[in-house]
Amino acid sequence: GIQVEQSPPDLILQEGANSTLRCNFSDSVNNLQWFHQNPWGQLINLFYIPSGTKQNGRLSATTVATERYSLLYISSSQTTDSGVYFCAVTTSGTYKYIFGTGTRLKVLA
Amino acid sequence: NAGVTQTPKFQVLKTGQSMTLQCAQDMNHEYMSWYRQDPGMGLRLIHYSVGAGITDQGEVPNGYNVSRSTTEDFPLRLLSAAPSQTSVYFCASSYHQNRAGELFFGEGSRLTVL
Repeated sequence: GIQVEQSPPDLILQEGANSTLRCNFSDSVNNLQWFHQNPWGQLINLFYIPSGTKQNGRLSATTVATERYSLLYISSSQTTDSGVYFCAVTTSGTYKYIFGTGTRLKVLA
Repeated sequence: NAGVTQTPKFQVLKTGQSMTLQCAQDMNHEYMSWYRQDPGMGLRLIHYSVGAGITDQGEVPNGYNVSRSTTEDFPLRLLSAAPSQTSVYFCASSYHQNRAGELFFGEGSRLTVL
């Protein structure tokens, strides 16, 4: 099955810093999403982005499907950005969303 | 819209007991699924359904049963709980598994098996 790897696994930032999180996948995908799991365990939808670029405030994401990766950019980070960031994908012909290993982000005040 | 609703939020079981985790969505989504998340880990797919009467296995189906008698509901059954099933369980749904298939999650159910 498809492999989904995220990097870095852990990241510590000072408030106000920028960061880039990466999601690599081993096969072509027809769905890709980014989620933020906050410290209370809730999974929050950030982007549904099977291809192209999207922006929402301080966050943006780019998926280059032909090269099998997606990037999540966080600018001017805030302590509320702390948590775990997951990407999840489905492949053509399947109905299974497979999750990546996650990036654990801690933003220090 | 309530979105995806899971009950109960917390449950403690003894080994060998059975229980059902409930999941309901009011968005008329065709696709529903169950995931488990172990401490410090990502989410692993247990079972999923692409419509009423249709279910299939995910990555870790053993020890769990599902059924889909209505579009709205997708219960997860543990027939004989084991300590290895201690985890946080998430239900998720989406409109359809195509390019419009954005996945929405419930708030999770924390299960402890003693």
